[in-house]
Amino acid sequence: DQQVKQNSPSLSVQEGRISILNCDYTNSMFDYFLWYKKYPAEGPTFLISISSIKDKNEDGRFTVFLNKSAKHLSLHIVPSQPGDSAVYFCAASLFIFGNEKLTFGTGTRLTIIP
Amino acid sequence: GAVVSQHPSRVICKSGTSVKIECRSLDFQATTMFWYRQFPKQSLMLMATSNEGSKATYEQGVEKDKFLINHASLTLSTLTVTSAHPEDSSFYICSAVAGSSYNEQFFGPGTRLTVL
Repeated sequence: DQQVKQNSPSLSVQEGRISILNCDYTNSMFDYFLWYKKYPAEGPTFLISISSIKDKNEDGRFTVFLNKSAKHLSLHIVPSQPGDSAVYFCAASLFIFGNEKLTFGTGTRLTIIP
Repeated sequence: GAVVSQHPSRVICKSGTSVKIECRSLDFQATTMFWYRQFPKQSLMLMATSNEGSKATYEQGVEKDKFLINHASLTLSTLTVTSAHPEDSSFYICSAVAGSSYNEQFFGPGTRLTVL
């Protein structure tokens, strides 16, 4: 049962335009959401996060939006740059017995076209 | 951000042998480390939670006798794949939680295991 879903396996965006990556989840107990960026043969790198009590968090070119009622979050990158080409994973966090557990989506491969 | 290393980055072994993967937090102490496995075109799947000084907690479906985890110090956790088989071939990634950082896990670069 995939509790975190990224329905778009790939996305191509022109340089300078906005990239929008989407993520849906099913477990209403998730209390924190994170986006990671991953290059081939490397571990994920934390990008931006949002608490479930907020609906928006912004950090430079990256903004994450959370719609709790729809159980949906999105990552906006603007303007998109060639270096943004990577696989992006959304992850949802649950605190169980003092430990944080992350559930990852399947990832979206973003390609920025120069 | 905090740095987490993994060794080796790539290993090829014969079926039936055991392989040890090390995960180190280089500039912080991590009471909790996680081990993930990623198959091609799939998400990272949590295998186990490793707490320093105590037994690891395994996710459902992960054989604890096959994937031995030892978190001997605040900066080192090891994953040993015992009697590896070709279906164990995967990308194994560890992460560590920095004590002062809430809800942020720092990931290692991963280890590509290929079992022939």
